[in-house]
Amino acid sequence: GESVGLHLPTLSVQEGDNSIINCAYSNSASDYFIWYKQESGKGPQFIIDIRSNMDKRQGQRVTVLLNKTVKHLSLQIAATQPGDSAVYFCAETDFNKFYFGSGTKLNVKP
Amino acid sequence: DSGVTQTPKHLITATGQRVTLRCSPRSGDLSVYWYQQSLDQGLQFLIHYYNGEERAKGNILERFSAQQFPDLHSELNLSSLELGDSALYFCASSAYSGERETQYFGPGTRLLVL
Repeated sequence: GESVGLHLPTLSVQEGDNSIINCAYSNSASDYFIWYKQESGKGPQFIIDIRSNMDKRQGQRVTVLLNKTVKHLSLQIAATQPGDSAVYFCAETDFNKFYFGSGTKLNVKP
Repeated sequence: DSGVTQTPKHLITATGQRVTLRCSPRSGDLSVYWYQQSLDQGLQFLIHYYNGEERAKGNILERFSAQQFPDLHSELNLSSLELGDSALYFCASSAYSGERETQYFGPGTRLLVL
């Protein structure tokens, strides 16, 4: 399968600061990307997605950026809150198959 | 609460045994996906069913099989279990079969093989 990887396994930020979580993917043919949040003891939860014909998409306090040239995806969380502490996964899809990155743990310090 | 239910929540068994994990999708969802999450491999896509038919296979071992029933619930069967099969198994559901459908994950089944 294709590989989707993350640059930073753990990220610590101060409450109120902005967070940026990065992800690299290898399949240039992938056309749909998703960010998931997984809290301890729970299943992954959809945060935001983006199609390959876009380079930016905004949600509530979250923004996903896609750079197809370097096959890089990032998730920006504005005004990070303690409730944002979790593991974040990026995923790409290829013909109904889904490939997840290894995850980045976000720690929000009060 | 995603609306996806999985049973059992925890399962402890021995090597060589066979277990069945059950998933009930959200009401109205036709697609069910199975994933394995282990410490050393992250979240791995296993298989996707849509309205009773297999749609895509990922990294699913031959010892594993799945099916989706007419009432749309799904079962994942794991046989000849090995220590390395210990993991969290998640199912997810979506309304249809498109790869751009939002998937809703269940709480998972934690399998421990001793």
